Amino acid sequence: DPKIIQKPKYLVAVTGSEKILICEQYLGHNAMYWYRQSAKKPLEFMFSYSYQKLMDNQTASSRFQPQSSKKNHLDLQITALKPDDSATYFCASSQGRGGAETLYFGSGTRLTVL
Amino acid sequence: GDQVEQSPSALSLHEGTGSALRCNFTTTMRAVQWFRKNSRGSLINLFYLASGTKENGRLKSAFDSKERYSTLHIRDAQLEDSGTYFCAAGSNSAGNKLTFGIGTRVLVRP
Repeated sequence: DPKIIQKPKYLVAVTGSEKILICEQYLGHNAMYWYRQSAKKPLEFMFSYSYQKLMDNQTASSRFQPQSSKKNHLDLQITALKPDDSATYFCASSQGRGGAETLYFGSGTRLTVL
Repeated sequence: GDQVEQSPSALSLHEGTGSALRCNFTTTMRAVQWFRKNSRGSLINLFYLASGTKENGRLKSAFDSKERYSTLHIRDAQLEDSGTYFCAAGSNSAGNKLTFGIGTRVLVRP
């Protein structure tokens, strides 16, 4: 059974619209992350959260807003979508004890913006 | 910023043979992780190393922080080893933010 659930698996959106990517983890972890993989590029770090607080943000645009309603949830709201936002978005988690830790990933949400 | 150079980009192996993947780092990394993307698209963690070597079945990984590289060796390759392998590492200043390599697509042929 997957321990990190991302929904939906595939998402198609029109330019200018808004979407929310869902992530839930059932590993009892305290830290959660978002990464993005665009075509032909490596996975890129976007955000990290620890105990529901933002720790690091490497996303230049405020159109990307993480939302943590519970400790094991970290959703990603994307507003004013652009075709360049098309990518696979991966959620991850770790124990959250600080420093470098083993990361566990979900299976991703593939977003296509038309 | 931190850079990770992963090679080769693609690798074809016959069953029963072996090979190595390599990641070079442009800065001193605190730890390295290796992942394989499975058939569902999930990234499965294979290894976490802060130093030295680790072995798990037919996979073995090494990490040399001082020399700025890590390797992943596959021996006695099986068909189920096919997939895309990624290394990822973080520097001391990066917390748990990982910089990923571009990936190596491994194809094991009968």
